[in-house]
Amino acid sequence: SQKIEQNSEALNIQEGKTATLTCNYTNYSPAYLQWYRQDPGRGPVFLLLIRENEKEKRKERLKVTFDTTLKQSLFHITASQPADSATYLCALDLYSSASKIIFGSGTRLSIRP
Amino acid sequence: NAGVTQTPKFQVLKTGQSMTLQCAQDMNHNSMYWYRQDPGMGLRLIYYSASEGTTDKGEVPNGYNVSRLNKREFSLRLESAAPSQTSVYFCASSGQGYTEAFFGQGTRLTVV
Repeated sequence: SQKIEQNSEALNIQEGKTATLTCNYTNYSPAYLQWYRQDPGRGPVFLLLIRENEKEKRKERLKVTFDTTLKQSLFHITASQPADSATYLCALDLYSSASKIIFGSGTRLSIRP
Repeated sequence: NAGVTQTPKFQVLKTGQSMTLQCAQDMNHNSMYWYRQDPGMGLRLIYYSASEGTTDKGEVPNGYNVSRLNKREFSLRLESAAPSQTSVYFCASSGQGYTEAFFGQGTRLTVV
């Protein structure tokens, strides 16, 4: 069956450290992969997008890698801050002629001061 | 800019009642989506629409119907609500090509 898996447990790290979140998928061939942030009671907000032919993408303190052979993406937040505490969702776009975006279950990240 | 607007924000239904969740976007996006989110789970795709006049089933379509009324609007209908449909529902839209999805604020639905 098709599946997108993220770190199943919450991730709790010390402020200033690098947070690394994992997204693994099976039986999909995504055109590209996205990461979103979701705060309690709110809709997800887009952070980064990486295409199937890209290995790495950066935006400020965020870095995403995409390995289509391993079927895995890693999402890094460097110099983490308490304000980075949220749930982070991995999403695949099974784009052919139009987008079809499928989400993983998310990882809840807590940054302690 | 309003972005993606969903109505209502909260709703309580009795089992067997019907209702329609409304969604409108003002970004001229081609694709629109309906997701549900349950505690501890991510977003599960119910239906999506690649363009006006087309709709396709997602991961969990049973018990739902949709209508893409025009390019702006995409509604989700529950014909006979069940307690298993208690959830938070999100509408989203995205443009053509390699673009992100924009989400509404969600509808919290409780079926008793």
